Amino acid sequence: ILNVEQSPQSLHVQEGDSTNFTCSFPSSNFYALHWYRWETAKSPEALFVMTLNGDEKKKGRISATLNTKEGYSYLYIKGSQPEDSATYLCAFMGATGNQFYFGTGTSLTVIP
Amino acid sequence: NAGVTQTPKFQVLKTGQSMTLQCAQDMNHEYMSWYRQDPGMGLRLIHYSVGAGITDQGEVPNGYNVSRSTTEDFPLRLLSAAPSQTSVYFCASSYRPRAGANVLTFGAGSRLTVL
Repeated sequence: ILNVEQSPQSLHVQEGDSTNFTCSFPSSNFYALHWYRWETAKSPEALFVMTLNGDEKKKGRISATLNTKEGYSYLYIKGSQPEDSATYLCAFMGATGNQFYFGTGTSLTVIP
Repeated sequence: NAGVTQTPKFQVLKTGQSMTLQCAQDMNHEYMSWYRQDPGMGLRLIHYSVGAGITDQGEVPNGYNVSRSTTEDFPLRLLSAAPSQTSVYFCASSYRPRAGANVLTFGAGSRLTVL
């Protein structure tokens, strides 16, 4: 069982603020890292798949970076909007096996 | 396309009863998996399959059985339900996770309560 940690556990920001959170994973035997957005009463939806050290992905106001050598990924949201309120999950897959290991998520609330 | 369909959405069982959570996908995904979601624990993998006839255990397989007789279906069986199995269950599928940037597509979830 691998340890994937996300911080902070929860975050409240004002509309228009930029924010970021962290996903930490084992730095050895890396294969891929996924980010998912999970709104209340819905299913997780994919944001990014990251596979290479130094990867940077962007979708609108949301972006992510990856550092496989030190075992972390950052998710950034620029100019947060109320509709960004959700739990953001990361999932790690190692170099062997076919298992995804999920973090416990960061719950983001954007206050209008 | 329907995506990933889970049934039932809600179920209440008594301790010792058995039941099957159904999962079906219409995207021709080779990879299918079952997770449970518990407060403060994140999504934990129960069982997964990389193709018809192939299944393997995840982090928390005890008390659950699976089979994969077709590409489309991946049912999760609880043979003798226990209160510790009270949880929300998610089925997720993808193309081969090691064949490229293949994300998981999740079902809507099944909330199970064991009394």
